[in-house]
Amino acid sequence: DTGVSQDPRHKITKRGQNVTFRCDPISEHNRLYWYRQTLGQGPEFLTYFQNEAQLEKSRLLSDRFSAERPKGSFSTLEIQRTEQGDSAMYLCASSLPASGINEQFFGPGTRLTVL
Amino acid sequence: GEDVEQSLFLSVREGDSSVINCTYTDSSSTYLYWYKQEPGAGLQLLTYIFSNMDMKQDQRLTVLLNKKDKHLSLRIADTQTGDSAIYFCAEGGGFKTIFGAGTRLFVKA
Repeated sequence: DTGVSQDPRHKITKRGQNVTFRCDPISEHNRLYWYRQTLGQGPEFLTYFQNEAQLEKSRLLSDRFSAERPKGSFSTLEIQRTEQGDSAMYLCASSLPASGINEQFFGPGTRLTVL
Repeated sequence: GEDVEQSLFLSVREGDSSVINCTYTDSSSTYLYWYKQEPGAGLQLLTYIFSNMDMKQDQRLTVLLNKKDKHLSLRIADTQTGDSAIYFCAEGGGFKTIFGAGTRLFVKA
Protein backbone atom coordinates (compact mmCIF):
# COMPACT_ATOMS: atom_id res chain seq x y z
CA ASP A 1 0.00 0.00 0.00
CA THR A 2 1.59 3.28 -1.09
CA GLY A 3 -0.97 5.59 0.51
CA VAL A 4 -0.61 7.78 3.60
CA SER A 5 -0.30 5.72 6.77
CA GLN A 6 -0.77 6.77 10.37
CA ASP A 7 0.18 5.06 13.58
CA PRO A 8 -1.42 4.26 15.93
CA ARG A 9 -4.98 4.09 14.65
CA HIS A 10 -6.37 4.45 18.15
CA LYS A 11 -4.92 5.86 21.34
CA ILE A 12 -6.54 6.00 24.76
CA THR A 13 -4.70 7.97 27.39
CA LYS A 14 -5.26 9.57 30.74
CA ARG A 15 -5.42 13.30 31.20
CA GLY A 16 -1.99 14.78 31.72
CA GLN A 17 -0.09 12.14 29.76
CA ASN A 18 1.93 12.86 26.63
CA VAL A 19 1.12 11.18 23.32
CA THR A 20 2.93 11.01 19.99
CA PHE A 21 1.46 10.15 16.61
CA ARG A 22 3.30 9.26 13.43
CA CYS A 23 2.45 9.92 9.80
CA ASP A 24 4.14 8.42 6.78
CA PRO A 25 3.19 10.37 3.65
CA ILE A 26 3.27 9.20 0.06
CA SER A 27 6.99 9.02 -0.66
CA GLU A 28 7.34 11.64 -3.39
CA HIS A 29 5.04 14.17 -1.70
CA ASN A 30 6.88 17.13 -0.24
CA ARG A 31 3.92 18.75 1.52
CA LEU A 32 2.54 17.27 4.70
CA TYR A 33 -0.44 18.50 6.73
CA TRP A 34 -1.90 17.75 10.13
CA TYR A 35 -5.61 18.29 10.80
CA ARG A 36 -7.92 17.69 13.73
CA GLN A 37 -11.45 16.43 13.15
CA THR A 38 -14.12 16.27 15.83
CA LEU A 39 -17.51 14.58 15.52
CA GLY A 40 -19.74 16.30 13.02
CA GLN A 41 -17.03 18.66 11.81
CA GLY A 42 -14.69 18.82 8.88
CA PRO A 43 -10.91 18.67 9.18
CA GLU A 44 -9.45 21.73 10.93
CA PHE A 45 -5.99 22.76 9.79
CA LEU A 46 -3.28 22.45 12.45
CA THR A 47 0.05 22.74 10.67
CA TYR A 48 1.85 22.22 7.38
CA PHE A 49 5.35 21.23 6.25
CA GLN A 50 7.10 21.79 2.98
CA ASN A 51 9.84 19.19 3.08
CA GLU A 52 11.32 19.49 6.59
CA ALA A 53 10.29 23.11 7.13
CA GLN A 54 7.20 23.84 9.21
CA LEU A 55 5.76 26.81 7.33
CA GLU A 56 2.42 27.47 8.96
CA LYS A 57 0.78 26.74 12.30
CA SER A 58 -2.83 27.36 13.21
CA ARG A 59 -3.65 29.28 16.36
CA LEU A 60 -5.49 26.07 17.33
CA LEU A 61 -2.05 24.58 17.89
CA SER A 62 -1.34 25.51 21.50
CA ASP A 63 2.13 25.30 22.98
CA ARG A 64 1.29 21.78 24.19
CA PHE A 65 1.33 20.64 20.56
CA SER A 66 4.52 20.18 18.56
CA ALA A 67 5.09 18.68 15.16
CA GLU A 68 8.28 17.67 13.42
CA ARG A 69 9.34 16.35 10.07
CA PRO A 70 13.06 15.93 10.62
CA LYS A 71 14.14 14.48 7.27
CA GLY A 72 11.31 15.68 5.11
CA SER A 73 9.70 12.25 5.07
CA PHE A 74 7.63 11.00 8.04
CA SER A 75 6.21 13.41 10.60
CA THR A 76 5.32 13.21 14.27
CA LEU A 77 2.72 15.15 16.22
CA GLU A 78 3.19 15.27 19.98
CA ILE A 79 0.63 16.47 22.49
CA GLN A 80 1.95 17.14 25.97
CA ARG A 81 -0.17 17.16 29.13
CA THR A 82 -3.25 15.96 27.26
CA GLU A 83 -6.66 17.39 28.16
CA GLN A 84 -10.09 15.92 27.56
CA GLY A 85 -10.69 18.57 24.92
CA ASP A 86 -7.86 17.07 22.88
CA SER A 87 -10.03 14.00 22.17
CA ALA A 88 -10.49 13.97 18.40
CA MET A 89 -9.40 12.29 15.19
CA TYR A 90 -5.99 13.52 14.07
CA LEU A 91 -5.59 13.36 10.32
CA CYS A 92 -2.45 13.55 8.25
CA ALA A 93 -2.42 14.38 4.55
CA SER A 94 0.26 14.81 1.92
CA SER A 95 0.36 16.46 -1.46
CA LEU A 96 2.57 17.18 -4.40
CA PRO A 97 2.10 20.83 -5.35
CA ALA A 98 3.40 20.22 -8.86
CA SER A 99 0.02 18.66 -9.51
CA GLY A 100 -1.37 22.20 -9.58
CA ILE A 101 -4.62 21.57 -7.77
CA ASN A 102 -2.90 20.59 -4.50
CA GLU A 103 -4.92 17.40 -4.15
CA GLN A 104 -4.39 16.17 -0.62
CA PHE A 105 -4.19 12.46 0.11
CA PHE A 106 -5.41 11.63 3.58
CA GLY A 107 -4.43 8.89 5.95
CA PRO A 108 -7.03 6.95 7.97
CA GLY A 109 -6.39 9.06 11.06
CA THR A 110 -5.46 8.44 14.69
CA ARG A 111 -8.40 8.55 17.07
CA LEU A 112 -7.35 9.98 20.43
CA THR A 113 -9.47 9.51 23.53
CA VAL A 114 -8.39 11.34 26.66
CA LEU A 115 -10.00 10.01 29.83
CA GLY B 1 -12.56 35.16 7.86
CA GLU B 2 -12.53 31.88 6.00
CA ASP B 3 -15.62 29.74 6.40
CA VAL B 4 -17.31 26.97 4.44
CA GLU B 5 -20.89 26.02 5.23
CA GLN B 6 -22.98 23.10 4.07
CA SER B 7 -26.10 21.31 5.21
CA LEU B 8 -25.46 18.34 7.46
CA PHE B 9 -27.76 15.65 6.04
CA LEU B 10 -29.34 14.61 2.76
CA SER B 11 -31.48 11.55 2.16
CA VAL B 12 -32.39 10.33 -1.33
CA ARG B 13 -33.79 7.21 -2.95
CA GLU B 14 -31.58 4.99 -5.04
CA GLY B 15 -31.70 6.12 -8.67
CA ASP B 16 -32.63 9.72 -7.84
CA SER B 17 -30.27 12.67 -8.19
CA SER B 18 -28.55 14.10 -5.13
CA VAL B 19 -27.66 17.77 -4.86
CA ILE B 20 -25.33 18.90 -2.09
CA ASN B 21 -24.91 22.64 -1.61
CA CYS B 22 -22.12 24.69 -0.09
CA THR B 23 -21.31 28.34 0.49
CA TYR B 24 -17.83 29.73 1.06
CA THR B 25 -16.43 33.10 1.98
CA ASP B 26 -12.94 33.47 0.49
CA SER B 27 -13.34 34.99 -2.96
CA SER B 28 -9.61 34.55 -3.60
CA SER B 29 -9.83 30.75 -3.52
CA THR B 30 -8.32 29.29 -6.66
CA TYR B 31 -9.96 25.89 -6.41
CA LEU B 32 -13.15 24.54 -4.91
CA TYR B 33 -13.14 20.87 -4.02
CA TRP B 34 -15.45 18.05 -3.10
CA TYR B 35 -13.94 15.33 -0.93
CA LYS B 36 -15.68 12.08 -0.03
CA GLN B 37 -15.24 10.18 3.24
CA GLU B 38 -16.50 6.64 3.57
CA PRO B 39 -16.80 4.94 6.97
CA GLY B 40 -13.40 4.04 8.40
CA ALA B 41 -11.51 5.56 5.49
CA GLY B 42 -9.60 8.77 4.89
CA LEU B 43 -10.96 11.65 2.83
CA GLN B 44 -10.55 11.25 -0.93
CA LEU B 45 -10.75 13.97 -3.54
CA LEU B 46 -13.89 13.34 -5.59
CA THR B 47 -13.75 16.29 -7.95
CA TYR B 48 -12.73 19.94 -8.08
CA ILE B 49 -13.42 23.06 -10.10
CA PHE B 50 -11.15 25.95 -10.95
CA SER B 51 -12.52 29.28 -9.76
CA ASN B 52 -12.88 30.72 -13.27
CA MET B 53 -15.18 27.90 -14.37
CA ASP B 54 -18.96 27.76 -13.97
CA MET B 55 -19.50 24.06 -14.43
CA LYS B 56 -17.60 20.82 -14.57
CA GLN B 57 -19.01 17.43 -15.48
CA ASP B 58 -17.33 14.14 -14.70
CA GLN B 59 -19.43 11.04 -15.43
CA ARG B 60 -22.26 11.05 -12.86
CA LEU B 61 -20.92 14.17 -11.12
CA THR B 62 -21.76 17.76 -12.01
CA VAL B 63 -20.20 20.67 -10.15
CA LEU B 64 -21.75 24.11 -10.44
CA LEU B 65 -19.99 27.24 -9.23
CA ASN B 66 -21.67 30.61 -8.75
CA LYS B 67 -18.73 32.82 -7.92
CA LYS B 68 -20.85 35.94 -7.42
CA ASP B 69 -22.88 34.25 -4.67
CA LYS B 70 -19.93 32.11 -3.50
CA HIS B 71 -22.11 29.02 -3.93
CA LEU B 72 -20.92 25.59 -4.97
CA SER B 73 -23.02 22.50 -5.60
CA LEU B 74 -22.39 18.85 -6.34
CA ARG B 75 -24.98 16.85 -8.24
CA ILE B 76 -24.74 13.08 -8.29
CA ALA B 77 -26.91 11.54 -10.99
CA ASP B 78 -28.47 8.08 -10.54
CA THR B 79 -27.40 7.91 -6.91
CA GLN B 80 -26.39 4.43 -5.75
CA THR B 81 -26.19 2.92 -2.26
CA GLY B 82 -22.41 2.96 -2.68
CA ASP B 83 -22.58 6.76 -2.79
CA SER B 84 -23.57 6.82 0.89
CA ALA B 85 -20.79 8.77 2.57
CA ILE B 86 -19.90 12.19 3.97
CA TYR B 87 -19.17 14.82 1.33
CA PHE B 88 -16.93 17.74 2.27
CA CYS B 89 -16.90 20.99 0.38
CA ALA B 90 -13.55 22.78 0.57
CA GLU B 91 -11.94 25.94 -0.74
CA GLY B 92 -8.26 26.47 -1.35
CA GLY B 93 -5.38 27.88 -3.28
CA GLY B 94 -1.76 27.88 -2.38
CA PHE B 95 -1.10 25.50 0.48
CA LYS B 96 -4.17 25.94 2.66
CA THR B 97 -7.52 24.18 2.25
CA ILE B 98 -10.56 25.04 4.39
CA PHE B 99 -13.17 22.32 4.81
CA GLY B 100 -16.85 22.49 5.58
CA ALA B 101 -18.44 20.29 8.24
CA GLY B 102 -19.56 17.72 5.69
CA THR B 103 -22.94 16.57 4.36
CA ARG B 104 -23.89 13.03 5.25
CA LEU B 105 -25.66 11.44 2.27
CA PHE B 106 -28.05 8.58 3.00
CA VAL B 107 -29.20 6.54 0.01
CA LYS B 108 -32.33 4.46 0.55
CA ALA B 109 -32.69 1.32 -1.52
